[in-house]
Amino acid sequence: DAMVIQNPRYQVTQFGKPVTLSCSQTLNHNVMYWYQQKSSQAPKLLFHYYDKDFNNEADTPDNFQSRRPNTSFCFLDIRSPGLGDAAMYLCATSGDPQETQYFGPGTRLLVL
Amino acid sequence: GNSVTQMEGPVTLSEEAFLTINCTYTATGYPSLFWYVQYPGEGLQLLLKATKADDKGSNKGFEATYRKETTSFHLEKGSVQVSDSAVYFCALSEPGANSKLTFGKGITLSVRP
Repeated sequence: DAMVIQNPRYQVTQFGKPVTLSCSQTLNHNVMYWYQQKSSQAPKLLFHYYDKDFNNEADTPDNFQSRRPNTSFCFLDIRSPGLGDAAMYLCATSGDPQETQYFGPGTRLLVL
Repeated sequence: GNSVTQMEGPVTLSEEAFLTINCTYTATGYPSLFWYVQYPGEGLQLLLKATKADDKGSNKGFEATYRKETTSFHLEKGSVQVSDSAVYFCALSEPGANSKLTFGKGITLSVRP
């Protein structure tokens, strides 16, 4: 089945220690998104790639970066995680920005 | 700007009860409307969608009709099951190259046996 895969499902890191979350997709979609979701809240868009074009949301902290080396993969890098960065991180894809977004299962990040 | 307003939760129902979750929206153009469901510890799954006025989206016994005159997209199910317990998000996206999803706050549904 075509799908969006996120690894790992759970990630524990230490305060200030860089961490990378991974997303891959077999849908061959042009657009890949990263969302942050804190407990009992709606997902918050951090940034997205439309092909190779990177689009950052205005209120996304500089601590968060992303890479998309090819169509299938997209990475979320948190350079110096703080306690407030503990959250579920969701990856989503769509064929086009106007089309339906399909979400992965998420990676839950814990910062100690 | 765009916004989505969902009714306050949580909602607790008995199995086989009728479900309505209200959702209204504000948009400058002609958005597409979505309901996503999130089971505990999981990502969001698309439940149903509608792309134009009077369209009805349906899936797994859930339905929602795009009502432009009332700017609403209420979710309904005739008979809920324990397995429907989850968080439900209403969302919209407007057409355009920079289209993004705008989510409501979500509502938690708990269904008792």
